[in-house]
Amino acid sequence: KQEVTQIPAALSVPEGENLVLNCSFTDSAIYNLQWFRQDPGKGLTSLLLIQSSQREQTSGRLNASLDKSSGRSTLYIAASQPGDSATYLCAVVYNFNKFYFGSGTKLNVKP
Amino acid sequence: NAGVTQTPKFRVLKTGQSMTLLCAQDMNHEYMYWYRQDPGMGLRLIHYSVGEGTTAKGEVPDGYNVSRLKKQNFLLGLESAAPSQTSVYFCASSRWTSGGASGELFFGEGSRLTVL
Repeated sequence: KQEVTQIPAALSVPEGENLVLNCSFTDSAIYNLQWFRQDPGKGLTSLLLIQSSQREQTSGRLNASLDKSSGRSTLYIAASQPGDSATYLCAVVYNFNKFYFGSGTKLNVKP
Repeated sequence: NAGVTQTPKFRVLKTGQSMTLLCAQDMNHEYMYWYRQDPGMGLRLIHYSVGEGTTAKGEVPDGYNVSRLKKQNFLLGLESAAPSQTSVYFCASSRWTSGGASGELFFGEGSRLTVL
């Protein structure tokens, strides 16, 4: 079974801090990797999608990198804000349309 | 943009009752999925579909049935609800890309089901 691990499980930082969330996967033969945000009681919102041929993607204050050879992806959040507080999940795609999710990192940004 | 819409958003059932969750997407996506999310268990795939008229089992299919009669709709049915099926259910969809790989995955807002 493919495994996706996210560390840390929870993170609390003061507003304005830059932070990195980690996602690791056991099989490097991925098609793509996607980062999501989930607010309490809500669905998952797509943040960034990295194709297997790419090394990184950027959207605003978010930057996601992908290193297939080491089985790792990182989500970098610059100048964190209280509105960034949420659970962040990564998902890797193998075999065309099978998504494997990590258990998420719960982020709390303190004002 | 509607994206992926799930109905109902909340439902309470008694053990043994049946119900159907409806998922509709307006993005013309080929792939559709049903997940359940439970505390400490993460997201688990129940069933999925790679196109109209097709369905396949995921990680936890027992106790559920699905149908995809139209490309835009994916129905999840519980024939005889059990307390173990108390969960939050999410529908998702993605498009087919060249090479067969999935594109970006889009989720609905979820359906919270409680089985007493």
